[in-house]
Amino acid sequence: GAGVSQSPSNKVTEKGKDVELRCDPISGHTALYWYRQSLGQGLEFLIYFQGNSAPDKSGLPSDRFSAERTGGSVSTLTIQRTQQEDSAVYLCASSIVESSDTQYFGPGTRLTVL
Amino acid sequence: QKEVEQDPGPLSVPEGAIVSLNCTYSNSAFQYFMWYRQYSRKGPELLMYTYSSGNKEDGRFTAQVDKSSKYISLFIRDSQPSDSATYLCAMTARTSYGKLTFGQGTILTVHP
Repeated sequence: GAGVSQSPSNKVTEKGKDVELRCDPISGHTALYWYRQSLGQGLEFLIYFQGNSAPDKSGLPSDRFSAERTGGSVSTLTIQRTQQEDSAVYLCASSIVESSDTQYFGPGTRLTVL
Repeated sequence: QKEVEQDPGPLSVPEGAIVSLNCTYSNSAFQYFMWYRQYSRKGPELLMYTYSSGNKEDGRFTAQVDKSSKYISLFIRDSQPSDSATYLCAMTARTSYGKLTFGQGTILTVHP
């Protein structure tokens, strides 16, 4: 079956612009996670969704970052007024339920802020 | 200090060698331990998943967990050039909604 998909695969933007990153989880997976992978910081948790609600937003680095999930499926991560330090690979993962279930990762969106 | 420490390497070994990758952690609440493999410009893929101390074997891969020492390992036997990738350890606590905490990742190259 289809895995987790993310779009776009690459995004180049200018400092100060807003960007939207999309994640399509595996069908039937109720839990969805966003992570960020950068050279200096490794792979870091951003936000977790169970259904359409986000019980844990503790990893969002600033109020410029927000995310939503609709219909218990597609999720969008929005970064407003992008900064150069936002440049990273943004990874989405989904699992059947939360807690100890296996998380399946998408290929990521590589964001470059000029 | 990070909750999970992993030597970033890089590690270079000849084909056929046994590879040992390790992580230490400080949070005693971590109960589930994973190893992911990540090829260049791809997302991480799960290799091994364990939730108790001891060994778990899957083909050429063996995962080892020592909760008393807060230390986990991944062994790769008969390493192949196709094993060249970044290996990430990850762990989570029962109460963390599955939120994974990752090590920095170890870059492994297996040369023919």
